[in-house]
Amino acid sequence: DIQMTQSPPSLSASLGETISIECLASEGIYSNLAWYQQKPGKSPQLLIYGASSLQDGVPSRFSGSGSGTQFSLKISSMQPEDEADYFCQQSYKFPLTFGSGTKLEIK
Amino acid sequence: EVQLQQSGAELVRPGTSVKLSCKVSGDTITAYYMHFVKQRPGQGLEWIGRIDPEDDSTKYAEKFKNKATLTADTSSNTAYLKLSSLTSEDTATYFCTTSGMDAWGQGASVTVSS
Repeated sequence: DIQMTQSPPSLSASLGETISIECLASEGIYSNLAWYQQKPGKSPQLLIYGASSLQDGVPSRFSGSGSGTQFSLKISSMQPEDEADYFCQQSYKFPLTFGSGTKLEIK
Repeated sequence: EVQLQQSGAELVRPGTSVKLSCKVSGDTITAYYMHFVKQRPGQGLEWIGRIDPEDDSTKYAEKFKNKATLTADTSSNTAYLKLSSLTSEDTATYFCTTSGMDAWGQGASVTVSS
């Protein structure tokens, strides 16, 4: 199985701050990577697909980059509504696998 | 816009089975692969498997091969996840989602307790 190592496990950021979350795949997955945001008691929501394509309706302060084994999600100018859990996920090979998540909180 | 409506919370006894439903509206279910994902309380996301409602072909994560069964009913536009031989390890919220994972159900909570 492809292991997705996500870091950091938690992050505290001030409003307006730019933050990055990293995801490392145990083998190359080209650009078959997605990022999700999940708020407490809610379903995950797709933010980024294909490593860098912004899902319709997602604010442009979210961006994704990377290919192969190294990927990152950037949030430019942290907003209160961005406080949530974030997960990466590879869709290159079955079984589909997720990173362990990053809890993003407001400082 | 496709929407997914999942069945309600379940409280079930150890050793029994439970069948969860996921009804698709806004489109035909055969337009998508349907995936199911497990999330234990306070934990991350685990992919269980997916079904192609067009031909009922399935793929499962190895650890769920003897635990989960995916089916689909095209006449009712509904996908199903059956979990068998339930233990406390199966206590979780189960989500359905479409191929591309851009639409998700609201989740179905399963609690296994005697």
